[in-house]
Order: sequence, then structure tokens, then C-alpha cells
Amino acid sequence: AQKVTQAQTEISVVEKEDVTLDCVYETRDTTYYLFWYKQPPSGELVFLIRRNSFDEQNEISGRYSWNFQKSTSSFNFTITASQVVDSAVYFCALSGPTSGTYKYIFGTGTRLKVLA
Amino acid sequence: DTGVSQDPRHKITKRGQNVTFRCDPISEHNRLYWYRQTLGQGPEFLTYFQNEAQLEKSRLLSDRFSAERPKGSFSTLEIQRTEQGDSAMYLCASSLGTGENEKLFFGSGTQLSVL
Repeated sequence: AQKVTQAQTEISVVEKEDVTLDCVYETRDTTYYLFWYKQPPSGELVFLIRRNSFDEQNEISGRYSWNFQKSTSSFNFTITASQVVDSAVYFCALSGPTSGTYKYIFGTGTRLKVLA
Repeated sequence: DTGVSQDPRHKITKRGQNVTFRCDPISEHNRLYWYRQTLGQGPEFLTYFQNEAQLEKSRLLSDRFSAERPKGSFSTLEIQRTEQGDSAMYLCASSLGTGENEKLFFGSGTQLSVL
């Protein structure tokens, strides 16, 4: 079965702290894709990153970084020096042949609150 | 260029009524998706279109639900005889449609409340 688990329901940090959001996935596919989306209070999910299963290099984009480890089936997301504008719900998602390459399996999300 | 737009943003209806939502994708996008999101959950796939063809439907999409994309541009999602369990955020997304596992561009959703 395809499944995405985001065990952290809600995290609160003080501005400028670093924070890591965990994502653990399950799949039998050998080729699959992982995503992170941000959902601010406006409701619109905003794409952050897409990573395929053959690319285990970590990625950094400004204050954002992602750590992909196939050995532990994890795709964690770190925000460095968090800001109030980072407050949102963050979703990890998975797609692959088993679920359908056009059907994305989302986790339940992690609500991040960054306090000034 | 505007993003994906959805109308209305909010809809309150009484149980048993029919409702219709509209989604306008990004103009050059061939694929259009509908997802449903309930409180505290992630989005769940409902259906997707490649141009005007509806290629996959989730089991979540009961007979009371129908989606169309008549000219391969905008799409409508209709729910007939609404039930309280239909209360959710209905999200539309689109993608270029040139490959697989593409990144999705989402609209802000239609929040449905069935009383």
C-alpha cells in the first residue's frame, strides 16, 4: 500500500529557530516521486519541491532544505531561521505506479506556528 | 498569468440540495484534478482529466458526484442530494500534462458546508 505519515500534528517555534518537519512514506514501487506543499491560511497549496526516488541528494533552497533517505523511507523538511510567514500547514505527498502517477497520496499535514 | 481559480470560495447549503463548483485551470495546462480535504486531513484524490477526458475516478466519488470538463478548459464538480458528510474543502489543481508525477498547481478551494 502507498502511505505517507506525518507524525507531527503541530509544531510551535519562536522566530529564528530551526525546525524540521518529518515525513515517512511506504511504497512498493521502485520508482516514485515525493513532494512537499505548503498550505497557508488562504487555503491554496503551494508547491515546494519534487524529488524522484533515484535522486537521494539533499537539496537546499534558501532557508529550506530537504533530506531524502531511502534507507529509512523518509523525506524530511527543515526550515532554517524560521519566520512568522512560514506559519502554515505543510504536506508531504507521494506518487507512483501503484497509486497512479496522476494520483497523489498526501499525509495529514503538520501545522507550523512561528511565534514572533 | 493567473493561477488556478475556483468559484465560489464558500458554499453553504441544506442537506438534499444540489451544488456545483467551478474550476478554471492555468490556461496552458492539459490536466485538471479534483481533490477533497476534510478538517485535519490531507487532500484526497477524487478525479482527474486529461483535456476533456475523465481518466480516473476515486471510489470516494459516489454516484452523487459528477465532474465534467466539456471543452478541456474549465471544469465543474456537481454534488447531488448533498449530505452532511460532503462538508469539506474541494480543491482543484492543474498541471502541464506533458509527463508523469508533475507538480500540481492548486486553487484556493471551495469550502462546502452542508447543514
